[in-house]
Amino acid sequence: DQQVKQNSPSLSVQEGRISILNCDYTNSMFDYFLWYKKYPAEGPTFLISISSIKDKNEDGRFTVFLNKSAKHLSLHIVPSQPGDSAVYFCAARGGADGLTFGKGTHLIIQP
Amino acid sequence: AAGVIQSPRHLIKEKRETATLKCYPIPRHDTVYWYQQGPGQDPQFLISFYEKMQSDKGSIPDRFSAQQFSDYHSELNMSSLELGDSALYFCASSPRGGGAFNEQFFGPGTRLTVL
Repeated sequence: DQQVKQNSPSLSVQEGRISILNCDYTNSMFDYFLWYKKYPAEGPTFLISISSIKDKNEDGRFTVFLNKSAKHLSLHIVPSQPGDSAVYFCAARGGADGLTFGKGTHLIIQP
Repeated sequence: AAGVIQSPRHLIKEKRETATLKCYPIPRHDTVYWYQQGPGQDPQFLISFYEKMQSDKGSIPDRFSAQQFSDYHSELNMSSLELGDSALYFCASSPRGGGAFNEQFFGPGTRLTVL
């Protein structure tokens, strides 16, 4: 049973526009959420995180929003750049060491 | 900046053989995590170590074992390999001192192919 769900396998956005990647989770014990970016032949690279006590965290072009009641989080990238093309993984953590990942969304930034 | 190092990057083995994957964490990181990512799948947590002791266990098969050494590097030992073990194996590290809310920094992965 997938506890972290990224329902969009891929997303295409024009350069300069906003990219919004969504993630839903089912486990109420999750209290820390992370977004990772992955290029082919490389390991996931940490992007941004948010604790469950917050509803927003911003870092440059990247903002993560958390809606605990809906068990939903989203990553906003503004403005989108060609180098943002990659697979984005949503991950969650709750008590245990290991992260629970979603299946990823392949973001394609079109010129 | 130094990153997590994994070796080898690629490994090809036959069924029923054994394999050993190595992970060298970022300097001053004392916690190591192992993940397995099958084709088209999300990374699945296998096991973690903190200060050379097993910290948490995920979906690691009994055929696999791991340990963390005094220099904090870790090895994942896989025996009686099966075709389904073909996957990308990631190692991640983090500093534990900051508490539970620490980002995990991932290595480039080892691609294991079992023939």
